Amino acid sequence: DTGVSQNPRHKITKRGQNVTFRCDPISEHNRLYWYRQTLGQGPEFLTYFQNEAQLEKSRLLSDRFSAERPKGSFSTLEIQRTEQGDSAMYLCASSFGGIYGYTFGSGTRLTVV
Amino acid sequence: AQKVTQAQTEISVVEKEDVTLDCVYETRDTTYYLFWYKQPPSGELVFLIRRNSFDEQNEISGRYSWNFQKSTSSFNFTITASQVVDSAVYFCALSEAKYGGSQGNLIFGKGTKLSVKP
Repeated sequence: DTGVSQNPRHKITKRGQNVTFRCDPISEHNRLYWYRQTLGQGPEFLTYFQNEAQLEKSRLLSDRFSAERPKGSFSTLEIQRTEQGDSAMYLCASSFGGIYGYTFGSGTRLTVV
Repeated sequence: AQKVTQAQTEISVVEKEDVTLDCVYETRDTTYYLFWYKQPPSGELVFLIRRNSFDEQNEISGRYSWNFQKSTSSFNFTITASQVVDSAVYFCALSEAKYGGSQGNLIFGKGTKLSVKP
């Protein structure tokens, strides 16, 4: 059990470019969540997977955002045509059956210039 | 709608002082879960405690203690004899019960930044 792993740790991109982040949850965790955290704020929920099924999407998840979890293992979050307002820390969390607490990764910090 | 309020934006104490971080929540659900997380400067959210709405027992873990009061919708966190390593942002979070009664996604407060000075 190496915890929740997120890559890359930092990403700087130009406005209009596409970016993709990866999350590797704890292997036996069937639930996976993506959150976004801006400076001075608490994390905000983006989307939730149970195994490979995406069961919930927040209104924050515009049509420029897409997330996948093929085979119910790792997950990717893609942002198309990035905007400066997308600059934030993107956090991934996983849990086992929603029974215990959530384990968070270290996050990917995105800066759009 | 669910909401978590952490009214204290920043708190500064001197080492060895006791400090209480306040958390007030709003929910219409009868089954829900409350959490506290610590976010040190490194950025990773560290799980501290999870409490379900049917368990109002206070909990103590070393220098940490939590006071859950449903009557006032509060879930306060106290650090006794604070240390410099306690310096971090602390988040209170709420989760409603979903998918057969298990916890759903987290709704976070804005956090309280604690600075412990030597």
